[in-house]
Amino acid sequence: DSGVTQTPKHLITATGQRVTLRCSPRSGDLSVYWYQQSLDQGLQFLIQYYNGEERAKGNILERFSAQQFPDLHSELNLSSLELGDSALYFCASASDGNSNQPQHFGDGTRLSIL
Amino acid sequence: QQQVKQSPQSLIVQKGGISIINCAYENTAFDYFPWYQQFPGKGPALLIAIRPDVSEKKEGRFTISFNKSAKQFSLHIMDSQPGDSATYFCAIATLRGNNRLAFGKGNQVVVIP
Repeated sequence: DSGVTQTPKHLITATGQRVTLRCSPRSGDLSVYWYQQSLDQGLQFLIQYYNGEERAKGNILERFSAQQFPDLHSELNLSSLELGDSALYFCASASDGNSNQPQHFGDGTRLSIL
Repeated sequence: QQQVKQSPQSLIVQKGGISIINCAYENTAFDYFPWYQQFPGKGPALLIAIRPDVSEKKEGRFTISFNKSAKQFSLHIMDSQPGDSATYFCAIATLRGNNRLAFGKGNQVVVIP
C-alpha cells in the first residue's frame, strides 16, 4: 500500500460530461502529481502541485484542470469529455518537489467514456 | 515526442533466469533515472533509481546499469521469479524539472516456472 488514495476507482460517463477525480497524498507529502496512462501514449505527466500551488504543467489539455486544497488533497477536473479521454489517471505524491524524493503512486481511477 | 525509449517491448524469461530491459534517452540534462514496477490493477511502484554520478546500483535481485556516454540505462532482474511478472517502466527526470517524470512505454516481463 503506497499510502496514496484515489477515488473513485472506476468512473463511467458519457461524452460531453464533466468529472472530478480525487487524490489524497501520503501523510506528510506536500507535492502531488497527476499522470494519464493510455495504451497509445503510455504514462504522461499532466500537472504538479506543491503545497497548494501549481508547480509544473505537462501535456494537460485546456479542458482539464486541477487544484490542491489546504489539506493537501488534490482534484483533477475533466470537462467536455471525449472518447479519447478514456484512460487510467494516476496521482502520485512526494514529500517535496525535489527529484531526490521518490514519487508514490495511487492505484488510479479508470475513466471510461461511452 | 517520446523522451525515453524502452526495449524490448515484452520479455519471457524462465524462472531463475536474468531479465534485462534497456532504456535510451536523448537529453543529457536528465539526472534522475528510476525504474517502476506495475502489476495489473495497481499503480506504478518505485523499484530502484540511480543518479548519473554512479554506473551501477544494486538492490537485492535488481540492478541498474548506467552508461552516461551512451545515454542508456538498463534494469537487470537476477534469479527472476514468477512474482516478478509485471510491467516495468523506466523514467527520467531532472533536478531542475520539479521531478516530473517522463516515462518509457513499458516492458511486459513474464517469468515462466
